[in-house]
Amino acid sequence: DSGVTQTPKHLITATGQRVTLRCSPRSGDLSVYWYQQSLDQGLQFLIQYYNGEERAKGNILERFSAQQFPDLHSELNLSSLELGDSALYFCASSPQSGGGGEQYFGPGTRLTVT
Amino acid sequence: SQQGEEDPQALSIQEGENATMNCSYKTSINNLQWYRQNSGRGLVHLILIRSNEREKHSGRLRVTLDTSKKSSSLLITASRAADTASYFCATAPGAGSYQLTFGKGTKLSVIP
Repeated sequence: DSGVTQTPKHLITATGQRVTLRCSPRSGDLSVYWYQQSLDQGLQFLIQYYNGEERAKGNILERFSAQQFPDLHSELNLSSLELGDSALYFCASSPQSGGGGEQYFGPGTRLTVT
Repeated sequence: SQQGEEDPQALSIQEGENATMNCSYKTSINNLQWYRQNSGRGLVHLILIRSNEREKHSGRLRVTLDTSKKSSSLLITASRAADTASYFCATAPGAGSYQLTFGKGTKLSVIP
């Protein structure tokens, strides 16, 4: 158990809808990272927050947004969902601000868009 | 885009044998990490090797890094059925963005 929690575990929704994925980092970790894992694209870095502020952006679509709250939990919002957004979404955390160190991954949220 | 490329894509071995996976990357790095992912689960950090290190051990794992060839290898000795998983290398760039970039992984099957 990494200490990172994600909810929900599974999410099934229709195209055009909006969903929110939630992540709680390990106790004491200030950085939260979001990743998308699909069969064809592999594991793609989406965005990082550090202590409430956006730190780095990766291949995140404009339809996606994220935030980190004062209690350090983070939410990833996905809107206008398309079939191609079906994937596993992982959250990871680390104590440092730079993303180059060891990261601790949550169990993931499996999103299915029908 | 993927920085690391693992090779082979899939590997099947008998329990007790050694498993070797390779990773090649393109740009300079600060460090290289290996992660394991059991089917549909979260990734688990295995080992981190810095750019100034050549070899590192952790239990049955041995990682080597050759920065001149921009490559790394992960050796799992005396494999067990429980080692069945996908293994990913991840690189932390030497400059600019410090975000990890993951390869597409090697799927290891250890047959009892």
